[in-house]
Amino acid sequence: DQQVKQNSPSLSVQEGRISILNCDYTNSMFDYFLWYKKYPAEGPTFLISISSIKDKNEDGRFTVFLNKSAKHLSLHIVPSQPGDSAVYFCAATASGTYKYIFGTGTRLKVLA
Amino acid sequence: DTAVSQTPKYLVTQMGNDKSIKCEQNLGHDTMYWYKQDSKKFLKIMFSYNNKELIINETVPNRFSPKSPDKAHLNLHINSLELGDSAVYFCASGKLGTDTQYFGPGTRLTVL
Repeated sequence: DQQVKQNSPSLSVQEGRISILNCDYTNSMFDYFLWYKKYPAEGPTFLISISSIKDKNEDGRFTVFLNKSAKHLSLHIVPSQPGDSAVYFCAATASGTYKYIFGTGTRLKVLA
Repeated sequence: DTAVSQTPKYLVTQMGNDKSIKCEQNLGHDTMYWYKQDSKKFLKIMFSYNNKELIINETVPNRFSPKSPDKAHLNLHINSLELGDSAVYFCASGKLGTDTQYFGPGTRLTVL
């Protein structure tokens, strides 16, 4: 039972353009969402997060949008850079559970 | 100055053997986790320890036994290894109640 889904396994974007990575969840108890970035042979690194009391959180080139009614979140990267090429994981948790459920990841390739 | 380190990075072993993976964090965190990333790229939580006490134990076979000698270490011992145990195992640490987890580089386990 996949509670967090990333339906696009891969995405290619030209350098300088916007990258949009999507994530859907099914558990309405989730109230905190995170994005992690992973390079080959390394562990995931935290990128940005959003609480369910917000619908947008911005950090530099990265913005996460949350649509609670649709149970959908997205990560926008503007402008995309070749160094952004990595696998991006979406994760969700419900307060007090201390358990993070991860999606299967989307491989982003930014073309120079 | 590695924040979360795991040893070994690669582990190749025969079915039926017993093996251990070690994890250490120097971030002063009170919570440590073990995740398994299987061939389908699902990153699933296995265990979580807070202050050396088990707080999350997903439905993992009891051949897997985590051991936390102190807050900075969480080792994973696996008995009677099976082919299906082949995966990348990630250790992570964080502060209980906060969002960010810091991951180690992963241990790729191959069971022949």
